Amino acid sequence: DTGVSQDPRHKITKRGQNVTFRCDPISEHNRLYWYRQTLGQGPEFLTYFQNEAQLEKSRLLSDRFSAERPKGSFSTLEIQRTEQGDSAMYLCASSLGTASYEQYFGPGTRLTVT
Amino acid sequence: QKEVEQNSGPLSVPEGAIASLNCTYSDRGSQSFFWYRQYSGKSPELIMFIYSNGDKEDGRFTAQLNKASQYVSLLIRDSQPSDSATYLCAVIDYKLSFGAGTTVTVRA
Repeated sequence: DTGVSQDPRHKITKRGQNVTFRCDPISEHNRLYWYRQTLGQGPEFLTYFQNEAQLEKSRLLSDRFSAERPKGSFSTLEIQRTEQGDSAMYLCASSLGTASYEQYFGPGTRLTVT
Repeated sequence: QKEVEQNSGPLSVPEGAIASLNCTYSDRGSQSFFWYRQYSGKSPELIMFIYSNGDKEDGRFTAQLNKASQYVSLLIRDSQPSDSATYLCAVIDYKLSFGAGTTVTVRA
């Protein structure tokens, strides 16, 4: 257990529905990252926050995706109008930022869109 | 060209042998390199990081970095069945960029 928690661990939804995932980072970590991983591939970067500011978004993050980190603590990732191609493991990671580059991952949320 | 390339594997080694995993990266300016272990159905777990040229040892794991050749490797000595997993190589600028991973199977 790295200290990063994610909820829910599994989510099954029907195409077109909205889903929201939550990530709680290690408490002293000011950077929080979202990645997506599909079978047989390494995780792909989606977006990251330093404290409450969203500093970078990948081109993978379409307009249907939005992420927030209010108050610089937990973060949410919402996917609107889900598509079957959104089925993946959504991983959250946190780090101390410039003090330490090591990123520690939570257990992930596995999304299945039917 | 992908930013990080790994031997696709799978790599099968007998118990007690050395498993050698290789990774190359395209950005010559990359400074920090990470190895993660991922068991099936689980999230990646950080096992090693290396910032300087040369070798870095941690228990049965040794990471090797050669920035001139843009090459990072991971050696697992005295391989155990519990080492059977996918090993992911990653480089960082602010985000981690991962290779596709090499699956290692240690035969008892």
